[in-house]
Amino acid sequence: GAVVSQHPSWVICKSGTSVKIECRSLDFQATTMFWYRQFPKQSLMLMATSNEGSKATYEQGVEKDKFLINHASLTLSTLTVTSAHPEDSSFYICSAAGTSGYNEQFFGPGTRLTVL
Amino acid sequence: GQNIDQPTEMTATEGAIVQINCTYQTSGFNGLFWYQQHAGEAPTFLSYNVLDGLEEKGRFSSFLSRSKGYSYLLLKELQMKDSASYLCAVLDSNYQLIWGAGTKLIIKP
Repeated sequence: GAVVSQHPSWVICKSGTSVKIECRSLDFQATTMFWYRQFPKQSLMLMATSNEGSKATYEQGVEKDKFLINHASLTLSTLTVTSAHPEDSSFYICSAAGTSGYNEQFFGPGTRLTVL
Repeated sequence: GQNIDQPTEMTATEGAIVQINCTYQTSGFNGLFWYQQHAGEAPTFLSYNVLDGLEEKGRFSSFLSRSKGYSYLLLKELQMKDSASYLCAVLDSNYQLIWGAGTKLIIKP
């Protein structure tokens, strides 16, 4: 199956700093990438959908100025959490859909963010 | 609104069979997924159903009835490593995945 990587796997930062998370599709071209957030014992919550070369589409309630998404190439999308606060601590997961359609999403391993 | 329902938690015995149900009400339907998620890890794909019927893949099978808005995941010959959360997700008419809250499956020896 297709492989998606995320970096870093985990990060601890101070309140007020910015954190960048990278999502890469290693063996296929991802026209669409999805960013999810998952709080403990809860299901995945879609934050935004990004298509290569265009602006991301954010879900209701997600601040686009706080969660900056860039999808500059068919293999790389980045999520930057700006001015992070403790309530942003969560498990962030990206997934990628190939050019054949949306029928399957391939998930990255996730990034655990802890904001002190 | 869109809604996916699945039990919060289930317990089963090693070697036994367990069925995890999922009912959905969504705007349109373009398929239903089952994912497995171990604690602290990202989900991994198990199955995809878009037509009615049963899809078998090794110890795991998935069933879909579109008219009833219903699916189940059947796990046979349970192993301790099957202890995980199982997420049901539906692809709606906008090709957006709608996620259930997940079913935590506990396997006992």
